[in-house]
Amino acid sequence: LAKTTQPISMDSYEGQEVNITCSHNNIATNDYITWYQQFPSQGPRFIIQGYKTKVTNEVASLFIPADRKSSTLSLPRVSLSDTAVYYCLVGDIRNAGNMLTFGGGTRLMVKP
Amino acid sequence: NAGVTQTPKFQVLKTGQSMTLQCAQDMNHEYMSWYRQDPGMGLRLIHYSVGAGITDQGEVPNGYNVSRSTTEDFPLRLLSAAPSQTSVYFCASRPLRAGDYNEQFFGPGTRLTVL
Repeated sequence: LAKTTQPISMDSYEGQEVNITCSHNNIATNDYITWYQQFPSQGPRFIIQGYKTKVTNEVASLFIPADRKSSTLSLPRVSLSDTAVYYCLVGDIRNAGNMLTFGGGTRLMVKP
Repeated sequence: NAGVTQTPKFQVLKTGQSMTLQCAQDMNHEYMSWYRQDPGMGLRLIHYSVGAGITDQGEVPNGYNVSRSTTEDFPLRLLSAAPSQTSVYFCASRPLRAGDYNEQFFGPGTRLTVL
């Protein structure tokens, strides 16, 4: 399983763009990169997933360089409600037996 | 759809007691899993299942049993509760369809305290 490394915590202010980088040096050819968001006392919620280059949805963008050894989750114009823990997962999502494991995550605090 | 439901929401056990945490999903997902989350930590995979009758161990399976008799239900059994099993337990499910897109849906969690 590819190990991931993320910053433990980040602070931002409302209206700013936030970029959270995840390092995954041992990513395998079939691995995808998936990001989840977790609010206190709730289960994680899927944000975005990608394999290479750039993926964008209504919530976030995911940037993956050509070597795929890292990825960056970009949250445009954050609000107080974006305060949460963000997890980066790497694994072969097409493999039914694959264990997608959660690391420690990045605790994002958005301030007014 | 109700999504993934878990019962109970809260539970207090004494050391040595056994109990079953219930998990159900109504999305016809083949894959279901159980995680535990200790305070301030990430989630750790306990057991998972890729379909009815098929289960396998995750990262931290000791002290837990699972079974999958139907697609909808995936109960987690604590055989003899220990204080080290005090945690929040999350159940999740996802489809096993072909394609690039695949997300897990998580339940609201069960907060378990073992005294």
